[in-house]
Amino acid sequence: DARVTQTPRHKVTEMGQEVTMRCQPILGHNTVFWYRQTMMQGLELLAYFRNRAPLDDSGMPKDRFSAEMPDATLATLKIQPSEPRDSAVYFCASGLEVNTEAFFGQGTRLTVV
Amino acid sequence: GQNIDQPTEMTATEGAIVQINCTYQTSGFNGLFWYQQHAGEAPTFLSYNVLDGLEEKGRFSSFLSRSKGYSYLLLKELQMKDSASYLCAVRDRQAGTALIFGKGTTLSVSS
Repeated sequence: DARVTQTPRHKVTEMGQEVTMRCQPILGHNTVFWYRQTMMQGLELLAYFRNRAPLDDSGMPKDRFSAEMPDATLATLKIQPSEPRDSAVYFCASGLEVNTEAFFGQGTRLTVV
Repeated sequence: GQNIDQPTEMTATEGAIVQINCTYQTSGFNGLFWYQQHAGEAPTFLSYNVLDGLEEKGRFSSFLSRSKGYSYLLLKELQMKDSASYLCAVRDRQAGTALIFGKGTTLSVSS
């Protein structure tokens, strides 16, 4: 049963701490997306990769967020330093190239206090 | 940029039919998707339209009019388990293959 796996599922951290979220895309998928979901803004695209290369990270606050794909089986999203306004559910999704749907992981619920 | 609008909330009763509308503005339209998201869970894919017309999949159908920048999701024979948020998303060539989502429509189905 192929699925996108995200860790951790929940994270509570103090303001100023570094947070790292991990995603294992579905084997064979070559596009990976990071989204953030809040009640106010809905699902916002933060960054995405194709064949491990970053294509668009314009939705991401550059001063504190960074996204990488060290290899085809791992994508990471880091926040340093974290702030209370970063509290949200962060979803990773993966897909194949053009005209196919994206499959979402279960998300990481981040709370920054 | 992109702009996607859908109603915030809708209510319906079991067995009924409900239509959730979505309007969008985008410069390089390249497909429209509908996702379902139950509270506390991940969005799951429902349907995809890239050409005008109706796509039917069981109790769910999705319609697209590219000239009007309009889509709807039709849910028939509503069940309690259909209570969820329904997300309209567009793919824009300027954004590559990424999906840009609307804020979603929360559907409540009552008995």
